[in-house]
Amino acid sequence: ETGVTQSPTHLIKTRGQQVTLRCSSQSGHNTVSWYQQALGQGPQFIFQYYREEENGRGNFPPRFSGLQFPNYSSELNVNALELDDSALYLCASSPWGTGAGANVLTFGAGSRLTVL
Amino acid sequence: KNQVEQSPQSLIILEGKNCTLQCNYTVSPFSNLRWYKQDTGRGPVSLTIMTFSENTKSNGRYTATLDADTKQSSLHITASQLSDSASYICVVSARGGGRRALTFGSGTRLQVQP
Repeated sequence: ETGVTQSPTHLIKTRGQQVTLRCSSQSGHNTVSWYQQALGQGPQFIFQYYREEENGRGNFPPRFSGLQFPNYSSELNVNALELDDSALYLCASSPWGTGAGANVLTFGAGSRLTVL
Repeated sequence: KNQVEQSPQSLIILEGKNCTLQCNYTVSPFSNLRWYKQDTGRGPVSLTIMTFSENTKSNGRYTATLDADTKQSSLHITASQLSDSASYICVVSARGGGRRALTFGSGTRLQVQP
């Protein structure tokens, strides 16, 4: 059973650029969610994908967008990068269900984005 | 507004000592509460998950408690080890709908010193 893998692990961009972060979900998980974690803060929910469609969104502007692919992997795209976008971006996968067990998220190690 | 407050923000203890981390929440309707451990620069890893009817759950040296009436949870770490140094995040899930509504606390940063 493979866990959640994210790439790249670190990257540096400049203001105004665009970035794409990638995530492969854990085997058997069909739901992927993305989080932004600023230094010293808890993760903030960006959005969730299920069946290749966005299924819930946090308080993030439209320049944060995503995709989910048929194999349940996902991408997070951020356009027009701002300095405040510097953070650890976490991807988490989970099985879709109604029981408590379905709410267990498996997180990836994250992608550390620095915007200069 | 759903909120999760954790205390203390940071904590330093000596190796071998016990400690207790607190989590207060105002999430409704409550589904479950989870404690995660997050090592620096890594993703969070689940320690325990507790539903409304559970008061205590243990995972090795970690024991979580839940008081659904007062909406409080605690995470007790026994006989701390250097490897316990990490951030501990409380996450509360709200029931209802297809979307899993999760509210994250800001975490307690624990440092265990030799």
